[in-house]
Amino acid sequence: RKEVEQDPGPFNVPEGATVAFNCTYSNSASQSFFWYRQDCRKEPKLLMSVYSSGNEDGRFTAQLNRASQYISLLIRDSKLSDSATYLCVVKLTGFKTIFGAGTRLFVKA
Amino acid sequence: ETGVTQTPRHLVMGMTNKKSLKCEQHLGHNAMYWYKQSAKKPLELMFVYNFKEQTENNSVPSRFSPECPNSSHLFLHLHTLQPEDSALYLCASSQDQGGNGYTFGSGTRLTVV
Repeated sequence: RKEVEQDPGPFNVPEGATVAFNCTYSNSASQSFFWYRQDCRKEPKLLMSVYSSGNEDGRFTAQLNRASQYISLLIRDSKLSDSATYLCVVKLTGFKTIFGAGTRLFVKA
Repeated sequence: ETGVTQTPRHLVMGMTNKKSLKCEQHLGHNAMYWYKQSAKKPLELMFVYNFKEQTENNSVPSRFSPECPNSSHLFLHLHTLQPEDSALYLCASSQDQGGNGYTFGSGTRLTVV
């Protein structure tokens, strides 16, 4: 089983749609959780941290379920500029961090 | 300069060449990382340096040799690489162990011919 698993997609959605991604992780000792965004041929950029209480940043909502070991990202009112690959990232103890392979999103006009 | 800068952006090298990748961070972070990203694969951690001391070496072949002269600079020396080493090499930095996330450089796209 992969340490961090994501549906690779692609998700093809129209502008204005709501889309949700899930990610599961295998190490119950995982400490911190993040969603990163990576545009084609660019570096990953931090989108948001993920907390058990859930957190929201504009159109983006992230949620962590420690009991089931999954993380979710919800994007409301999708924009063309949201098209990217979304990486689920799990930080273990020390400096070790595991990246998921990413979920590709295409938002179409 | 702000953030994390990497040079060169693109590199083509033969299998017998020696080259170096350079990374510099202007964020005052204490930890620096080298990651490898191959096509359709997750980022793979290669090396971690904390206050210029190596803390992680993720079983990376010796043809990759990191160097961290101080907390702001990180190098990756390359020699006798193989075509399968062609990938995007990303440098990142973080404050402490990265509990608040990482900042990545724009990467070096390496092609080994």
